[in-house]
Amino acid sequence: AQKVTQAQTEISVVEKEDVTLDCVYETRDTTYYLFWYKQPPSGELVFLIRRNSFDEQNEISGRYSWNFQKSTSSFNFTITASQVVDSAVYFCALSEENYGGSQGNLIFGKGTKLSVKP
Amino acid sequence: DGGITQSPKYLFRKEGQNVTLSCEQNLNHDAMYWYRQDPGQGLRLIYYSQIVNDFQKGDIAEGYSVSREKKESFPLTVTSAQKNPTAFYLCATCPGGATLNTEAFFGQGTRLTVV
Repeated sequence: AQKVTQAQTEISVVEKEDVTLDCVYETRDTTYYLFWYKQPPSGELVFLIRRNSFDEQNEISGRYSWNFQKSTSSFNFTITASQVVDSAVYFCALSEENYGGSQGNLIFGKGTKLSVKP
Repeated sequence: DGGITQSPKYLFRKEGQNVTLSCEQNLNHDAMYWYRQDPGQGLRLIYYSQIVNDFQKGDIAEGYSVSREKKESFPLTVTSAQKNPTAFYLCATCPGGATLNTEAFFGQGTRLTVV
């Protein structure tokens, strides 16, 4: 069955530290999509990245980088030189092409709450 | 201003009452979704609609109802049959027909509390 596990419930770092948020997924499908969303205190989810199962290239966007490894079913997210504005809950999510249940459903992990202290 | 508008931001409901949460979008997206978020939990799908006048149950539809009479609007009614409705409700939209391979856009949510 499809599942997303974010084992880190809460992480607290001091500004300028690097931090990695872990995401491990389970899927029966060969075609699937992985996402990261940020939920600031205001509540709405903000899209950060999408990766399909055929593209294992790592991606860097400014201070953000993502490491996708199919061999370990992981899609980890690293913030370099963290800032107070990075404080939020971060969700990893999975969508399957052929076994999505409710079509197009995003399966979310439980989220990791990141607190960056000045 | 383009986007998704959820209202109200905070809602209080008495036991046994039905309440309706509003979700309006001007992004011209076909698909709309309702998710429920509980503390320390991920988001769980309640209902979704990929086209006007059609909607499907998600994983936790019991005690909820929806309608999709207009492309722009996807209201969610929390009925008295929902035993534990206190939660944060998020509406989302997606271009095309599904969240499958494109990003979803989220509203700012409605926090519902049963008093």
